Amino acid sequence: EAPLLESGGGLVQPGGSLRLACAASGFSFSSHGMSWVRQAPGKGLEWLSSISDSGGETFYADSVKGRFTISRDNSKNTLFLQMNSLRVEDTAVYYCAKIGRRGFWYFDYWGQGTLVTVSS
Amino acid sequence: EIVLTQSPGTLSLSPGERATFSCRASQSVSSNNLAWYQQKPGQAPRLLISGASSRATGIPDRFSGSGSGTDFTLTISRLEPEDFAVYSCQQYGSTPPTFGLGTKVEVK
Repeated sequence: EAPLLESGGGLVQPGGSLRLACAASGFSFSSHGMSWVRQAPGKGLEWLSSISDSGGETFYADSVKGRFTISRDNSKNTLFLQMNSLRVEDTAVYYCAKIGRRGFWYFDYWGQGTLVTVSS
Repeated sequence: EIVLTQSPGTLSLSPGERATFSCRASQSVSSNNLAWYQQKPGQAPRLLISGASSRATGIPDRFSGSGSGTDFTLTISRLEPEDFAVYSCQQYGSTPPTFGLGTKVEVK
């Protein structure tokens, strides 16, 4: 069973919104920081956002700051990414990823990804 | 932010050969906080190495990482058929964490 499973991707018009979810299993979700990373078609990986284990601290890439919001529900072992004001250049596969060690933002588990397509 | 440049873009090798991947950072990576990932088409990245040289759980010992400062290397001692994939480096010594564009290993 995959420890991380994303959902919520799809086709959205420019300026629209989507909310991604990532269901975690098989590890102590509330003990680990989590992140979102995306990969545009044919491109490299891009870190977007991270959240601490408690949810009390959040961090964003400049490219999404003010438009995307990361959050988590530790009672439901679920990570979220609220994406507003979407742009064509936000088209990508979005991965949730578990931070490997507190304070060290490498990613030891990844979901399979969910595709977000922003197009009119 | 730190820019990571990977070379070459593509490696054409045969099973059993040695593969060497380079990752060069635009500035020194703090405490050698560098990771390597493997990614196959349509799949999520898989962590191979963290801390420049520490293999992740379950990673075979044919994979090894080395380097410090601005120059890092991933080596696969003998390529297995399942190793043909894209390999990306990532620095996490400073915020934001950044990734290289990857090196693709293809069958010669």
